[in-house]
Amino acid sequence: GQQVMQIPQYQHVQEGEDFTTYCNSSTTLSNIQWYKQRPGGHPVFLIQLVKSGEVKKQKRLTFQFGEAKKNSSLHITATQTTDVGTYFCAGPNYGGATNKLIFGTGTLLAVQP
Amino acid sequence: DSGVTQTPKHLITATGQRVTLRCSPRSGDLSVYWYQQSLDQGLQFLIQYYNGEERAKGNILERFSAQQFPDLHSELNLSSLELGDSALYFCASSVEAGQTNSPLHFGNGTRLTVT
Repeated sequence: GQQVMQIPQYQHVQEGEDFTTYCNSSTTLSNIQWYKQRPGGHPVFLIQLVKSGEVKKQKRLTFQFGEAKKNSSLHITATQTTDVGTYFCAGPNYGGATNKLIFGTGTLLAVQP
Repeated sequence: DSGVTQTPKHLITATGQRVTLRCSPRSGDLSVYWYQQSLDQGLQFLIQYYNGEERAKGNILERFSAQQFPDLHSELNLSSLELGDSALYFCASSVEAGQTNSPLHFGNGTRLTVT
């Protein structure tokens, strides 16, 4: 079945350093969503990318959708302690009568002050 | 605050028992989803309801069942509980029927511990 993998599983950075997580799908995606889950919290929607090669920015966060629409990345510039959490990508799984949203394995970001 | 309400926050029960988790979606959202999150399995989609009807099924065990009521709240029933069912159960809601095009809004989750 379709798989959505993220690397790295875990990243520990010093505050102020940059951070990137990569999301790779085994199949072409029509769109991709990104979520953030703070420790002890629930996933919160960040953004959705739809177009091939699309780049979107939210302050220090830059999201990119690959040209082949099989991969995506999230880059955080100058991390802050508030960026701590697990970042998930999620993409559609087309199978059967309905589509399902498949979440990636997640990348846990730890930021040391 | 996502607007999605889940109760209870915590649940501790013994193996073999049955529990019911409750979810009220955001106002205006017709779709309700249930996800299971455990340390080694990540976020696993269980089931989706849209306006009272089952819309999509994921990796939901036969011991688990769900329903969505006319007021759009949903319940997830877990029976014959096993130790491996211990996890965080999230409910999410969205406006649309298709779960792949609109953002999901998650509740705070119910932490189930089976002893």
